[in-house]
Amino acid sequence: QKEVEQNSGPLSVPEGAIASLNCTYSDRGSQSFFWYRQYSGKSPELIMSIYSNGDKEDGRFTAQLNKASQYVSLLIRDSQPSDSATYLCAVNIEGGYQKVTFGIGTKLQVIP
Amino acid sequence: NAGVMQNPRHLVRRRGQEARLRCSPMKGHSHVYWYRQLPEEGLKFMVYLQKENIIDESGMPKERFSAEFPKEGPSILRIQQVVRGDSAAYFCASLGGQGNEKLFFGSGTQLSVL
Repeated sequence: QKEVEQNSGPLSVPEGAIASLNCTYSDRGSQSFFWYRQYSGKSPELIMSIYSNGDKEDGRFTAQLNKASQYVSLLIRDSQPSDSATYLCAVNIEGGYQKVTFGIGTKLQVIP
Repeated sequence: NAGVMQNPRHLVRRRGQEARLRCSPMKGHSHVYWYRQLPEEGLKFMVYLQKENIIDESGMPKERFSAEFPKEGPSILRIQQVVRGDSAAYFCASLGGQGNEKLFFGSGTQLSVL
């Protein structure tokens, strides 16, 4: 079983719609969860972090965490073509130091 | 306020040559991670280093790959006798942010082996 799983997509949504990106993780002791955005040919950049169950909102982005289900999601409201990128879910696997493990990433395409 | 600096941006090597990839973390950061990304694949952890110390190299291939982070100077990822399968994007990241849990990535080195 992979440590962090994501559907690679592509996920296509029309401009203005809500994009929903999902991620599951295997290590029940994980404490920190991140979403990174990576444009084609560029490096990943952190867009959201979440540490406790529930929702965390930042502008058009909402991260959701359910530790009981080992599930993390990212919602992007009012999707824009500029949101088209690969979104990487990352989990800090408990291990005594900050080892961050990434999922394969979900490619999002926002159609104008 | 420079970010994570990686060089070279692109590196072309012939099979059997050596590749050296350099990474300078953000100012004040002393933890460096190396990740490898193959086309259509996610970021794969390779090694985690602090100054003069390798903390975790569980993601490094057993042969030909080595990493160091000396007291002075950048972190170096060294690949000896490169093969075509080593062609990938290699990203370095340094650890910072509140709680020291956020990874800040460099622009990466695209290694192409001919």
